[in-house]
Amino acid sequence: IQLTQSPSSLSASVGDRVTITCWASQGISSYLAWYQQKPGKAPKLLIYAASTLQSGVPSRFSGSGSGTDYTLTISSLQPEDFATYYCQQLNSYPWTFGQGTKVEIK
Amino acid sequence: QVQLVQSGAEVKKPGASVKVSCKASGYTFTGYYMHWVRQAPGQGLEWMGWINPNSGGTNYAQKFQGRVTMTRDTSISTAYMELSRLRSDDTAVYYCARDNSDFWSGYYYWGQGTLVTVSS
Repeated sequence: IQLTQSPSSLSASVGDRVTITCWASQGISSYLAWYQQKPGKAPKLLIYAASTLQSGVPSRFSGSGSGTDYTLTISSLQPEDFATYYCQQLNSYPWTFGQGTKVEIK
Repeated sequence: QVQLVQSGAEVKKPGASVKVSCKASGYTFTGYYMHWVRQAPGQGLEWMGWINPNSGGTNYAQKFQGRVTMTRDTSISTAYMELSRLRSDDTAVYYCARDNSDFWSGYYYWGQGTLVTVSS
């Protein structure tokens, strides 16, 4: 299953609402996770099962979607949110990741 | 607290093999599958497969079939990932990772990563 994220990169300001989309080449039944990765660090799990917020993750992060279309939304971008974001499908082997979306400071 | 501690960086020549270890602590090692994910420099994440530490059963991404072997030593709570016939495009940071609650809940716990450099 291929995952395509859009956009590949974006520039945004602190306080902006940011939406990242992940399209799957076939239905993945909400078996989707979202990660945040900062340079030189391991990824951090934000969302699983498409919309379940991982404990400890700020509530400004939310996930939605079903079937083949999923979104990660950051309601009010904070300075610590500038990073690269990946989606991952866990529905069919091989589990695959999207190519990533880099969120940069405008 | 759960910790996954990986072995140190490696430099290998093309055609050689590398074995990366991931020592788990803070939980029952045999209770959770261990996954391996790699990331080439400046690139995205790539799932390699998993091992069931309880049974030793494995599931490898087809891309790595025949070149990857995942094993474990339950006596020391350590998982291993061995990759053979290394090529330059195997240069990457290799991570072990584990879920937090159930098998499909994504990777909450990660090792610190092991850089493997393949160069002649």
